[in-house]
Amino acid sequence: DAGVIQSPRHEVTEMGQEVTLRCKPISGHDYLFWYRQTMMRGLELLIYFNNNVPIDDSGMPEDRFSAKMPNASFSTLKIQPSEPRDSAVYFCASSLSQNEAFFGQGTRLTVV
Amino acid sequence: AQSVAQPEDQVNVAEGNPLTVKCTYSVSGNPYLFWYVQYPNRGLQFLLKYITGDNLVKGSYGFEAEFNKSQTSFHLKKPSALVSDSALYFCAVRDIGGATNKLIFGTGTLLAVQP
Repeated sequence: DAGVIQSPRHEVTEMGQEVTLRCKPISGHDYLFWYRQTMMRGLELLIYFNNNVPIDDSGMPEDRFSAKMPNASFSTLKIQPSEPRDSAVYFCASSLSQNEAFFGQGTRLTVV
Repeated sequence: AQSVAQPEDQVNVAEGNPLTVKCTYSVSGNPYLFWYVQYPNRGLQFLLKYITGDNLVKGSYGFEAEFNKSQTSFHLKKPSALVSDSALYFCAVRDIGGATNKLIFGTGTLLAVQP
């Protein structure tokens, strides 16, 4: 398996624009997590899914953030409108049941 | 509430010496515990886990960790550090049987191994 695949790897956008981050989990994994990493806040859990259903979105910072998982092979994290303080590295991870999670390479988002 | 703490922002050790990176946790159910390593501009890589059984677990690159239920700790150890071990290390916990099954991480500890 190719592992967790995230796209794009880098994204630079202007404030106010919509940003969509994409994730393909490892085939067969039933949990999917979205994290945000910054120097100030460390690694924050934004939302996680189990069998494509959102279970806990308490980490989503604002209504500007939304996440979907339309099927077992794909998830998106959308920010609309984006702001400079959203600049961070966003990671997607997947796991099989309650075992260890495997991470993608991340998307480095810069909002100017 | 579920939480995990890494009390040290940075650990410095000389090459060849033993290293310890500390982690404590709090859960309402049973803990599944994990250690990850992150190299610059990379994603997190899984090192080892404790789910049940022997309190001493061994993982990749010669790392091991000891689960201590009474102290709610899961410290990462290595008998002899290498310069190439220098990286950011994260402890993580899942609360099995608790309110949620989310995977949360500590703030990370930067390990610096001097030649």
